[in-house]
Amino acid sequence: AQSVTQLDSQVPVFEEAPVELRCNYSSSVSVYLFWYVQYPNQGLQLLLKYLSGSTLVESINGFEAEFNKSQTSFHLRKPSVHISDTAEYFCAVNAGGTSYGKLTFGQGTILTVHP
Amino acid sequence: GAVVSQHPSRVICKSGTSVKIECRSLDFQATTMFWYRQFPKKSLMLMATSNEGSKATYEQGVEKDKFLINHASLTLSTLTVTSAHPEDSSFYICSAPPGQGNYGYTFGSGTRLTVV
Repeated sequence: AQSVTQLDSQVPVFEEAPVELRCNYSSSVSVYLFWYVQYPNQGLQLLLKYLSGSTLVESINGFEAEFNKSQTSFHLRKPSVHISDTAEYFCAVNAGGTSYGKLTFGQGTILTVHP
Repeated sequence: GAVVSQHPSRVICKSGTSVKIECRSLDFQATTMFWYRQFPKKSLMLMATSNEGSKATYEQGVEKDKFLINHASLTLSTLTVTSAHPEDSSFYICSAPPGQGNYGYTFGSGTRLTVV
């Protein structure tokens, strides 16, 4: 079984400041890793994913995450945040194989960007 | 890209009534659909997996008779909350994998259910 821990439930930050949202996972098998963003009363939007290959993955809106196998982490970073980045962010894992499609989510981190 | 349409986005119902939530894959066929429930200020919990042409698979602790799942076609999966009670109030979201090997799961926009 897999589990995901997002270490911060809330992260307040000022506009144009850098931010890091932390995610650690545990699994006995190799996993696929995801970050999703959720705006109020909306579904989830895929931000970025790690399946294989380069451990650094990037999204189109400036976020990046690095898969660190030894530390079992997949932290999300952005060098300069905008007000529009205010949302809740979920880290998720999937073990593939017979678990294909089943995502295990972290508890979520609410990112609030202040002007 | 792959789109999952979920309806309704918001529903208020009286205790004891049933509510049906639909999820449709608009530009691809989804033989499988996942249903999640999100409690206020908490994460998403997988409730069940619907499979076209066969019975749904429920996660441990989920009441099969309360949360009826039907996968009527390759593009439609429904979740019916039967005899709803206030504790069933929650945000329900469906998700479909767009294709085997493609791990870009697509989520519906969610349904906010309030039982009064």
